[in-house]
Amino acid sequence: SQKIEQNSEALNIQEGKTATLTCNYTNYSPAYLQWYRQDPGRGPVFLLLIRENEKEKRKERLKVTFDTTLKQSLFHITASQPADSATYLCALDGAGGSYIPTFGRGTSLIVHP
Amino acid sequence: DVKVTQSSRYLVKRTGEKVFLECVQDMDHENMFWYRQDPGLGLRLIYFSYDVKMKEKGDIPEGYSVSREKKERFSLILESASTNQTSMYLCASSLRGGWKEETQYFGPGTRLLVL
Repeated sequence: SQKIEQNSEALNIQEGKTATLTCNYTNYSPAYLQWYRQDPGRGPVFLLLIRENEKEKRKERLKVTFDTTLKQSLFHITASQPADSATYLCALDGAGGSYIPTFGRGTSLIVHP
Repeated sequence: DVKVTQSSRYLVKRTGEKVFLECVQDMDHENMFWYRQDPGLGLRLIYFSYDVKMKEKGDIPEGYSVSREKKERFSLILESASTNQTSMYLCASSLRGGWKEETQYFGPGTRLLVL
C-alpha cells in the first residue's frame, strides 16, 4: 500500500531563514500532492496543490516542488516568521483514482525569533 | 470561502454514553469525512459520505456510526463511548469529483474526553 513519510522530528530554524520540509512516498505514483498547515488544536488548512506534471508551484513565500523520479516533494517557506510555526502535512491523492487523500503524519516547524 | 463547523470544540463524556458529533458545511460539497487524530498516529479516516444517505467505512469504523440525512450535515455517533475513543475528531468536506477539487476543507475539530 502507499506510504508517506514526513520527518517526525521538529524542524527548528531562525527567523528570516528558509524552512524546507520533506515528504517522501513509496509504492505509488500520485497524480497530485497537497500541503496543509495545522495549528495546535485546530483543523488542517489547505495551502498548495501540485500536479505530477508540475515541477514547482509558488504562492507568496511558499514554494512546493514535486520530483516524481525521487518520489519526493519539498515544501519551502522563505523569510520564515515565528507565525509560520505549525505542523505541516502532505497528502497524496487517493490510490486508484479515489478522491480520498492519504495524509502524512506531519512535521512540526518552529521558527525562533 | 468554505466554512465547516463542528457542534462542539470540547466535550467530556462518561464511558457507555452515546455521543453525537455534528458537522455542517455551507458550500454544497458532495463529500464529507470524519477523521480522528491522535499524537503519533496522524489523521485516520473513520467514515465518509459521497451523497445524502450514503456512507462508506474508512480505516477505523469500529465503535462508530454516521448519519447523513441532509447534504450539508454529517453526524458521527459513538454508540457507547469508551476511553480509547478519547481523541481529536475532525470533520472535512470536499467537492465531488473533478481534477481540481480534491482539496479537503476541515472544521475546527472537537476534542473529546471519555472518562
